[in-house]
Amino acid sequence: SQTIHQWPATLVQPVGSPLSLECTVEGTSNPNLYWYRQAAGRGLQLLFYSVGIGQISSEVPQNLSASRPQDRQFILSSKKLLLSDSGVYHCAWSEAGVEQYFGPGTRLTVT
Amino acid sequence: AQKITQTQPGMFVQEKEAVTLDCTYDTSDQSYGLFWYKQPSSGEMIFLIYQGSYDEQNATEGRYSLNFQKARKSANLVISASQLGDSAMYFCAMRPAGGTSYGKLTFGQGTILTVHP
Repeated sequence: SQTIHQWPATLVQPVGSPLSLECTVEGTSNPNLYWYRQAAGRGLQLLFYSVGIGQISSEVPQNLSASRPQDRQFILSSKKLLLSDSGVYHCAWSEAGVEQYFGPGTRLTVT
Repeated sequence: AQKITQTQPGMFVQEKEAVTLDCTYDTSDQSYGLFWYKQPSSGEMIFLIYQGSYDEQNATEGRYSLNFQKARKSANLVISASQLGDSAMYFCAMRPAGGTSYGKLTFGQGTILTVHP
């Protein structure tokens, strides 16, 4: 069966510091991968998606970036965090665009 | 562009009763998919049910059913026989079918459901 991991689970970072969040998927090959952000009390907003290694599409302009160095690894990064980057970051995967399955999420607080 | 609207910030239901969570959507696409996800206090998004825009029958998954009214652009979630464990945030979402937008979900703001014993 497929599983999706995210780490860290929680993170507190000062404004201006760098960020690296990791997502890995097990039990599937060549999945579509997604990064969403959920601000407090809000719905999820798609940030990035990837259909293959090295293929990244950005949905909204921001100071975040994403990379996919391996088939089942998806990384979200920032060089300098802003207060507005606080939220829960959800990684998700799908096969051929059907239902998306989400990881446990990373709760980021920027202070 | 696609838009999902959930007008109920919070809903309350008595245990063992049924509850309907509202969702309306806006899209110019002819083909699309509609989803409901549950988010308990742990924060993980749990897939509940899916409805394709060309599906003639309403989707059902156990105690969950999706009341799909295409002409009204609504996709309400019905939970029958509510349980205390159903207390959570519920999100309606949609995605277009085909093209470069394939697979990308647009979410509503969510509805907090509280089940009373």
